[in-house]
Amino acid sequence: SQKIEQNSEALNIQEGKTATLTCNYTNYSPAYLQWYRQDPGRGPVFLLLIRENEKEKRKERLKVTFDTTLKQSLFHITASQPADSATYLCALDMSGYSTLTFGKGTMLLVSP
Amino acid sequence: DTGVSQDPRHKITKRGQNVTFRCDPISEHNRLYWYRQTLGQGPEFLTYFQNEAQLEKSRLLSDRFSAERPKGSFSTLEIQRTEQGDSAMYLCASSFSNEAYGYTFGSGTRLTVV
Repeated sequence: SQKIEQNSEALNIQEGKTATLTCNYTNYSPAYLQWYRQDPGRGPVFLLLIRENEKEKRKERLKVTFDTTLKQSLFHITASQPADSATYLCALDMSGYSTLTFGKGTMLLVSP
Repeated sequence: DTGVSQDPRHKITKRGQNVTFRCDPISEHNRLYWYRQTLGQGPEFLTYFQNEAQLEKSRLLSDRFSAERPKGSFSTLEIQRTEQGDSAMYLCASSFSNEAYGYTFGSGTRLTVV
């Protein structure tokens, strides 16, 4: 079966460090992968999309990589701040209908 | 446009009652999605519309669930004969057909079935 795996344990880091979150998927070859941020009690917010032919994408302090051989995406936040504390979700179109399947998300906690 | 609006924000209902949620998407978006999210899980896909046509439904969507999008504008999600297992956050999202822009989610409707 198709699966998306994100580290279920919370990631605790100190302010100013780089946070790296992992998204692994199985039994599928997506054309693109998306990352979202979700704060408690709110809906997810779209951050970045990376396509299968792109190795890396950047947006301000965010960087996403996509390795289709390893079936893995890495999400980096450089110079992390306490305001970056949230749950980060990766999502793929596994249906072929342009509807997203989400991972469970990884909670990031940035301490001052 | 103030984004995707969902109403109500919270709903507490007794088991066996029917509930209806409303979603008002971003007006320029032609796609509308319903997801369900429980604690510690990612959003789970329920159904999606392109304009007024319902194009895909998840197997999670039992016959107690029905969604409509009349005239391709707002959408409603109805749950009949609610069960305690229906307690969750129900999220609506809208998007353009081009995936490059991602989904815009509403803040959700928190349903508690007692």
